[in-house]
Order: sequence, then structure tokens, then C-alpha cells
Amino acid sequence: AQKITQTQPGMFVQEKEAVTLDCTYDTSDPSYGLFWYKQPSSGEMIFLIYQGSYDQQNATEGRYSLNFQKARKSANLVISASQLGDSAMYFCAMRVLYSGGSNYKLTFGKGTLLTVNP
Amino acid sequence: DTGVSQDPRHKITKRGQNVTFRCDPISEHNRLYWYRQTLGQGPEFLTYFQNEAQLEKSRLLSDRFSAERPKGSFSTLEIQRTEQGDSAMYLCASSLAGDGNSPLHFGNGTRLTVT
Repeated sequence: AQKITQTQPGMFVQEKEAVTLDCTYDTSDPSYGLFWYKQPSSGEMIFLIYQGSYDQQNATEGRYSLNFQKARKSANLVISASQLGDSAMYFCAMRVLYSGGSNYKLTFGKGTLLTVNP
Repeated sequence: DTGVSQDPRHKITKRGQNVTFRCDPISEHNRLYWYRQTLGQGPEFLTYFQNEAQLEKSRLLSDRFSAERPKGSFSTLEIQRTEQGDSAMYLCASSLAGDGNSPLHFGNGTRLTVT
């Protein structure tokens, strides 16, 4: 069974600074994908970024980048130039990609609450 | 892009009553998921449909819970004889089949409070 661990219940960052949110995962399957989602206080889950286990380069999407260290089984989210609107819960999630192509559900961590201070 | 729509947004019910939630996925998505999220936790998988077929049910889904997706379009989640422990946010999501990099697109959820 796969497991996602987010060890930081809360993080604070000053506006315009960068912040790293930690995520470690556990799976014995060689093929998997890692996702990050943002959940503002309004409740909707917003997809941010994806990293495949076989991707050679770290994923980037605008101010979001993923620091993927496969040997350490970590997939940390880096947010550059933090904005007040980045204040939210952030969830790391994993999907195992079975060889039969039966890939579907995501398994989520418990999340990290990020607060951006002005 | 109309996104995933869930109805109602909030539901308050008394213990023992039945409740039903509806989810309308993104129209071209053939995969539909139900998750439950309690305060301070990440979403927990409940069940999954590919088209109209329910392919997996979590052990979290007791026999008081039933989900349907007739005709592979919208889905309903029914909870019978609600208990206070059922109080949570129920999230619906949809995705495209195919590559494992297809993200889940979530609705805004239905917040259930059982009194």
C-alpha cells in the first residue's frame, strides 16, 4: 500500500520569499505519479503540479516547482515569490501506475497549512 | 469549462436520516471518484467509477453508503441511517482515463453535518 507523509502541519513565509513544503512517499511500485494540490479556505481542491517517477527533470509550473529526489522518496513543493493568495492547505498525493494500466485513485497526505505574512 | 459540480453545498441532518448527494463531472471525463475529508485531514478515497461501472469501494464505505453512476454521467452518493461520525466534507472528482498523469478535478464538496 502506498503512503504519503507531510511532516509540517504548518509553515509561515514572508511575502515575496520562497518556501518549501515537504512530502515523502512510500511505495514498492516502480511506476507512479506525484501530485500537489492547493485547498484555500473556500474548500476547493486546485491541482498545481505533477511529477512522474520516470521523468528526468523536475516539474515546474509558473511559481511552483517540484524538488523530486527519487532515491530519498521525496517530492517537495517549492513556491517562489510567495503571495498573500498562496495562504492555503497544500496536499501531496500519489498515484501508482500499474502495468495493466489500471491507474486511477490518488492517495493524499494530511497536508501543510501555509500562511503568507505581509 | 463548467468544472465539477456538487449539490448541495451544505447539508444538515439528524442522526438516523438518509441523505443523498449529487455530482456532475466534467462532461468528457469518464472517471469519477468520491472522497471524504474530515477536519485537518487529507481527502480519503471512498469509491471510483469508470463510466457506469463501480470498480472499487474503500473499506471506509460501510454498507450504509451506496454510490451510483447511471449512464456514466452524474453520480449520487447516498448515506442511510446517518451517524455523527459521518459528518465530513464529501468531495467528488473526475478525470480522463489514460495516462497516469491525468489530475483529478474536484468539485467544491458537500459539507455534511449530522446532529
